[in-house]
Amino acid sequence: RKEVEQDPGPFNVPEGATVAFNCTYSNSASQSFFWYRQDCRKEPKLLMSVYSSGNEDGRFTAQLNRASQYISLLIRDSKLSDSATYLCVVNNASNYQLIWGAGTKLIIKP
Amino acid sequence: GAGVSQTPSNKVTEKGKYVELRCDPISGHTALYWYRQSLGQGPEFLIYFQGTGAADDSGLPNDRFFAVRPEGSVSTLKIQRTERGDSAVYLCASSPGGTPVEQYFGPGTRLTVT
Repeated sequence: RKEVEQDPGPFNVPEGATVAFNCTYSNSASQSFFWYRQDCRKEPKLLMSVYSSGNEDGRFTAQLNRASQYISLLIRDSKLSDSATYLCVVNNASNYQLIWGAGTKLIIKP
Repeated sequence: GAGVSQTPSNKVTEKGKYVELRCDPISGHTALYWYRQSLGQGPEFLIYFQGTGAADDSGLPNDRFFAVRPEGSVSTLKIQRTERGDSAVYLCASSPGGTPVEQYFGPGTRLTVT
């Protein structure tokens, strides 16, 4: 089993719709959680950190469920520019390694 | 302010050759990370530097891979006796401190071993 698992997609979503995807992690000792966005043939860029209480940044909402060991990303009122691959990232407190999921591909259609 | 830069952007080499990939982190960032990413996969951790020293090199796949950061700024990833399986995008990231929060990535070097 992979340490961080994501549905690879693609998720094909009409512009303006709401889309959500999850990421599961296997290490219960994981401490920090992030969502990164990666455009085709570009480097990953931090989208948002995920806090225990959940957090929102504009149209984006991230949630953490420690009991079930998953994090989620919700995108409201999706834009064409949201089309990208969204990478789930988990860090263990014991070291500085970030463990990356393989990403979920999102395609927003006009 | 300049971001993380990597050179070359593309490198094609023959199997068995030696290659060096360079990373210039953001000025003042003490932490530097190397990853590699294959198509359809997330970045795979290779090595982490805090200052000049390699704090964690557990991700290096074998002894053909080596990285240095002699002055605590620029880092070079060195691959000896390249194999076709080494073909990937090699990403460098830096962050202000020792924690992994908000790593800033360079554009990567696309390595192709023929």
